[in-house]
Amino acid sequence: GENVEQHPSTLSVQEGDSAVIKCTYSDSASNYFPWYKQELGKRPQLIIDIRSNVGEKKDQRIAVTLNKTAKHFSLHITETQPEDSAVYFCAENSYGKLTFGQGTILTVHP
Amino acid sequence: DAMVIQNPRYQVTQFGKPVTLSCSQTLNHNVMYWYQQKSSQAPKLLFHYYDKDFNNEADTPDNFQSRRPNTSFCFLDIRSPGLGDAAMYLCATKGASGSYNEQFFGPGTRLTVL
Repeated sequence: GENVEQHPSTLSVQEGDSAVIKCTYSDSASNYFPWYKQELGKRPQLIIDIRSNVGEKKDQRIAVTLNKTAKHFSLHITETQPEDSAVYFCAENSYGKLTFGQGTILTVHP
Repeated sequence: DAMVIQNPRYQVTQFGKPVTLSCSQTLNHNVMYWYQQKSSQAPKLLFHYYDKDFNNEADTPDNFQSRRPNTSFCFLDIRSPGLGDAAMYLCATKGASGSYNEQFFGPGTRLTVL
């Protein structure tokens, strides 16, 4: 079945630094890769996504890169702020279903 | 505003007492999903509907059932809740048939089993 590995499980950075979270997947049929941010007790919120025919996408301080050959994709957050602190989940979509990575707890220290 | 609504937001039930969680959407999306999210874990798909077609995940326990009486509503029934079923239950919707479309999540229902 589908499997998504996400690393690191926890990430602590100083405000203003960059944060990088990496995911690998196994299903060659995966064609869509969203990233969700989830604050404590709240719903997952989509922050950026990328389709399989694109290698990189950027939205202000957030960027995602995809390497389909190697089956990995990464989230990059630049100029981190304390409000970026949350749990981040990568996911891959195949046949209309999402499989999530295990999550990364990001803490941004002021 | 178009949205995904879940009721109740918090549900407390007793061990073995059936409980029903509800989800409604004003997005007119034809795909609806139910996820279980336990503390410090990722959401795990239980089942989904494509219109009225029900799709169960292979590892979803028989204790979990679902109903979708119309496009707007979807229910999660837990027939005999156990302590291990305490979790956040998230409903999500997706429009059209394309795989690229975003899933929209409801606020979730936090289930406590006493």
